[in-house]
Amino acid sequence: DVQLVESGGGLVQPGGSLRLSCAASGFTFSSYPMTWVRQAPGKGLEWVSSVSGPGGTTHNADSVKGRFTISRDNSKNTLYLQMSSLRADDTAVYYCAKHDIRQQLASPFDYWGQGTLVTVSP
Amino acid sequence: ELVLTQSPGTLSLSPGESATVSCRATHSVSGSYLAWYQQKPGQAPRLLIYGAAYRATAIPDRFSGSGSGTDFSLTINGLEPEDFAVYYCQYYENSPLTFGGGTKVEIK
Repeated sequence: DVQLVESGGGLVQPGGSLRLSCAASGFTFSSYPMTWVRQAPGKGLEWVSSVSGPGGTTHNADSVKGRFTISRDNSKNTLYLQMSSLRADDTAVYYCAKHDIRQQLASPFDYWGQGTLVTVSP
Repeated sequence: ELVLTQSPGTLSLSPGESATVSCRATHSVSGSYLAWYQQKPGQAPRLLIYGAAYRATAIPDRFSGSGSGTDFSLTINGLEPEDFAVYYCQYYENSPLTFGGGTKVEIK
């Protein structure tokens, strides 16, 4: 079975940094693009960043450009999100999601993790 | 930049009734890249529909999607108690992978 397990969330001060991880299992990790989506408390879904299967192509939302970096280690079946210069409006549950089609970024998300909460507060 | 506007914001219905959620795009898009997700409180979203009209694996046939151009819709025929949730549309052809604002289907 496909499993995605996020970790690394927590409380961080404004301006601080945090690295999220998403451990994947149950599928050939390197073959599928992966994405981070976040959800602020009581709000809707917001796409954050995506990365291709090999890791060479990334895309980021304007709201996180220059501050967040998505990456992956296919030898460890793990997706990362390095977050820096964190702001209060980055407070959210961060989900990792698997794309549905091999090597195709333009595909929907067929599996999601349960999310990890990031709280940015003094 | 593409914006997806969902309506209504909240739909109050009784079990057994039908629900229709609308998703309108600011410009014409390809239906091949339009998805719908369901999210229940405290849970991750679940893929329901992709390519505007194709049900994802294990999704009951009371869920259906349709539309083209700028107007898309999700219909739930005969609401079951487990269908009361928030629904999001998403366009996934290219960056940014935009989501609509969500529609809450609540029990009347």
